[in-house]
Amino acid sequence: SQTIHQWPATLVQPVGSPLSLECTVEGTSNPNLYWYRQAAGRGLQLLFYSVGIGQISSEVPQNLSASRPQDRQFILSSKKLLLSDSGFYLCAWSRVAGVQETQYFGPGTRLLVL
Amino acid sequence: KQEVTQIPAALSVPEGENLVLNCSFTDSAIYNLQWFRQDPGKGLTSLLLIQSSQREQTSGRLNASLDKSSGRSTLYIAASQPGDSATYLCAVLDSNYQLIWGAGTKLIIKP
Repeated sequence: SQTIHQWPATLVQPVGSPLSLECTVEGTSNPNLYWYRQAAGRGLQLLFYSVGIGQISSEVPQNLSASRPQDRQFILSSKKLLLSDSGFYLCAWSRVAGVQETQYFGPGTRLLVL
Repeated sequence: KQEVTQIPAALSVPEGENLVLNCSFTDSAIYNLQWFRQDPGKGLTSLLLIQSSQREQTSGRLNASLDKSSGRSTLYIAASQPGDSATYLCAVLDSNYQLIWGAGTKLIIKP
């Protein structure tokens, strides 16, 4: 069966510090991978998605970046965090970018920037 | 631009009641609509996925309907239980193959 992991579960970082959140998927190959941010009381916002190693599409301009160094690894990074980067970050995967497939979500990382 | 709205934002009902959660979307050009469940501080779990050509999907005590022309979907929960307490999120797959999300309905089932 497939599983998706995210770490850390919780992170408190000062403004201006770097960030690295990691997401890994097990039990499948060549998944589509997604990073979302969920702010309190708002819907999920798609930040990045990837259809393959080294292929990253950005949905919103911001100080975050994503990388996919391996097939089942997706990393969300920042060189300098802003207060507005606080939120709940969710990684997800899907088999193909088709209309019949759902996305499967990781447990999330709660980031608090102080 | 596709927008998804969920009303109410929060709902509290006694155990055993049947209830309906609502989701509306502004652009009927969608491929599918999904309902997800999110427990506090956790990831999301897919509950039901309705293709644009379908009218409803059922799973256990859950029934989701889709009226694409009017831009509406409902999630019906029968015989609610305290374990159903969670936030329920609706999302549509738009014409650009992007998931557009509602803000969710926080459901509390009182024992």
